Amino acid sequence: GAVVSQHPSRVICKSGTSVKIECRSLDFQATTMFWYRQFPKQSLMLMATSNEGSKATYEQGVEKDKFLINHASLTLSTLTVTSAHPEDSSFYICSAPRQAEAFFGQGTRLTVV
Amino acid sequence: KQEVTQIPAALSVPEGENLVLNCSFTDSAIYNLQWFRQDPGKGLTSLLLIQSSQREQTSGRLNASLDKSSGRSTLYIAASQPGDSATYLCAVERGYSTLTFGKGTMLLVSP
Repeated sequence: GAVVSQHPSRVICKSGTSVKIECRSLDFQATTMFWYRQFPKQSLMLMATSNEGSKATYEQGVEKDKFLINHASLTLSTLTVTSAHPEDSSFYICSAPRQAEAFFGQGTRLTVV
Repeated sequence: KQEVTQIPAALSVPEGENLVLNCSFTDSAIYNLQWFRQDPGKGLTSLLLIQSSQREQTSGRLNASLDKSSGRSTLYIAASQPGDSATYLCAVERGYSTLTFGKGTMLLVSP
C-alpha cells in the first residue's frame, strides 16, 4: 500500500504557543489530504480537507484561524495549531487517498500544558 | 448526517476463535466502506476496502462483507491470534474521499 508519513509523533507544548504537524505522501502525489482529530474513546472526526494550491475546506465548528492548513506541494500538507490551549490536546492524524483507498499517517499526540 | 455505529465496543476472546465485528451506517448512499486497524497510540492501517458495488472482500484471515441497502458491514476474523489485538475501525466514504468513522471495536485476543 501507499505510505503516508506524519511528523512529529508526539509533541508537548505550552499554552499559547503554536505547533506545526507535517503530513507527507512518500510514494505518491496527493492533491488532497485530510486532517482528522481523535479524542479518547471517540471516533476520528474530520477537521478539514487540504487542497494543493488552494485554500483548505474546514468542517463545521472547526476554527480555520486556529488550525492553519497549508498544502504547499503535491506531497506535503501541514497543520499548525495556533495559540494552543489544553483543550486542543488530542490525537491528530492525516490521510491521503490513492485510487479510492485512504492511507493514514502515524498520527501526532499533542499535549498542551 | 451519516452516522456509523460499531458493535460490540469491546470484545475479548481466546486465541483460535473465529469472530465477527459489526458496523452499521444510516445513509446507504456511500461510495465505499473501509475497515482499519489501529494499535494504541498509532495511526491507522487499512485492512480492506469494499467498493459500493461489491459485496465482500477477503485478505488472508479477514473477510469483510457489505450490504449497502441495509446499511451493514461485517468483518470476519478467522482463527484469531494475539497479534490481532487492536481497535478495529469501520469508515464509510461519503464522497470526495472524506470518511465518517465509527468509534471502533477494541479486540483483545488472549493466548
